[in-house]
Amino acid sequence: DIQMTQSPSSLSASVGDRVTMTCRASQSINSYLNWYQQKPGKAPKVLIFAASNLQSGVPSRFSGSGSGTDFTLTISSLESEDFATYYCQQSYSLPITFGQGTRVEIK
Amino acid sequence: DVHLVQSGAEVRKPGESLKISCKGSEYSFNTNWIGWVRQMPGKGLEWLGSIYPDDSDTRYSPSFQGQVTISADKSNSTAYLQWSSLKASDTAMYFCARALTTTISPPEYWGQGTLVTVSS
Repeated sequence: DIQMTQSPSSLSASVGDRVTMTCRASQSINSYLNWYQQKPGKAPKVLIFAASNLQSGVPSRFSGSGSGTDFTLTISSLESEDFATYYCQQSYSLPITFGQGTRVEIK
Repeated sequence: DVHLVQSGAEVRKPGESLKISCKGSEYSFNTNWIGWVRQMPGKGLEWLGSIYPDDSDTRYSPSFQGQVTISADKSNSTAYLQWSSLKASDTAMYFCARALTTTISPPEYWGQGTLVTVSS
């Protein structure tokens, strides 16, 4: 199985801050990496697919980069609605695996 | 617009059986993989497995193989997740998602989730 490791597990930030989080795969997954945002009691929402492609309708303050084993999700200027938990997920091989999540909290 | 609508919350006792559903609409249900994801209280996302309704090709996570059964009814555009004997540890929110498989395309559409509570 491909293990996905996210860091940090949580972070505190203020509105307007630039926020960066990382996801590392235990082996190369090319660019088969999705990023999700999840709010309590809601289904995950795709933000970025194929490592760096912005999903339709997602604000441009979100961006993704990386390939192989190391990936980054950046929020260029944090807004109040961005406080949530973020997950990465590899779709390179079965079983599909998710990172453990990064929780973004209000500072 | 594509929709995935899941069945409502369930409360069962340990040892009981359960089948929850996920109905797709406004897209070609038969030719799109549908997957299931578990989220235990306060925890992260775990993939259980996915099914291709057209030929019922089903792939399971090794962690869940033998613990759950995934099926689909093409005539009703509905996917199912079932347990034959529930445990307290099956208490979780369960989501279905379209295209949750090994593909570069994102699982853009998700159901709203079904909360399963198993308690004596």
